[in-house]
Amino acid sequence: ETGVTQSPTHLIKTRGQQVTLRCSSQSGHNTVSWYQQALGQGPQFIFQYYREEENGRGNFPPRFSGLQFPNYSSELNVNALELDDSALYLCASSGGLANTGELFFGEGSRLTVL
Amino acid sequence: DAKTTQPPSMDCAEGRAANLPCNHSTISGNEYVYWYRQIHSQGPQYIIHGLKNNETNEMASLIITEDRKSSTLILPHATLRDTAVYYCIVRPRAYNTDKLIFGTGTRLQVFP
Repeated sequence: ETGVTQSPTHLIKTRGQQVTLRCSSQSGHNTVSWYQQALGQGPQFIFQYYREEENGRGNFPPRFSGLQFPNYSSELNVNALELDDSALYLCASSGGLANTGELFFGEGSRLTVL
Repeated sequence: DAKTTQPPSMDCAEGRAANLPCNHSTISGNEYVYWYRQIHSQGPQYIIHGLKNNETNEMASLIITEDRKSSTLILPHATLRDTAVYYCIVRPRAYNTDKLIFGTGTRLQVFP
């Protein structure tokens, strides 16, 4: 059983650019959520996807968008990057047959915006 | 905003028990207490959760007060690898949302 994997692990972008981050959920999990973690802070919920539809969103502007694919993997897209978007982006998956409410997190993608 | 309050940092000697407190005085009847930890540069890791009874697993024990307004996570024999930020989170019972509201957590430093 493979865990949650994210790519890329690190990337650098400039202001105004767009970025796509990718996440493969844990085997058998049908729900994916994304979190943003600024330096020294706890993770903040961006949104979650279930059966390819967004079904929950935190306090993030529309330039943060996502997708979930039939194999439950997911993408996070951020348009018009701002300096404050520099953060660790975490993906988590849950669900499956023995749903205990536990979230399984990936190692994250560290984005630096210059 | 997070519904929990935790001390910003704690120290513990290796081999001793680490007792991490958490206040959640506004918790409602349908909300669980979850604990996660985050080792430097890694994603958060689930530790344990409970509703009102004390819980124990291979990683830790969770003690919830009778009024459910506070809880304590106990690592019975702390090791250097337990050095991490520990987050106490209150979460609704329904599993249709993966929205966890993290505070700033407790930074536990285990020393030799």
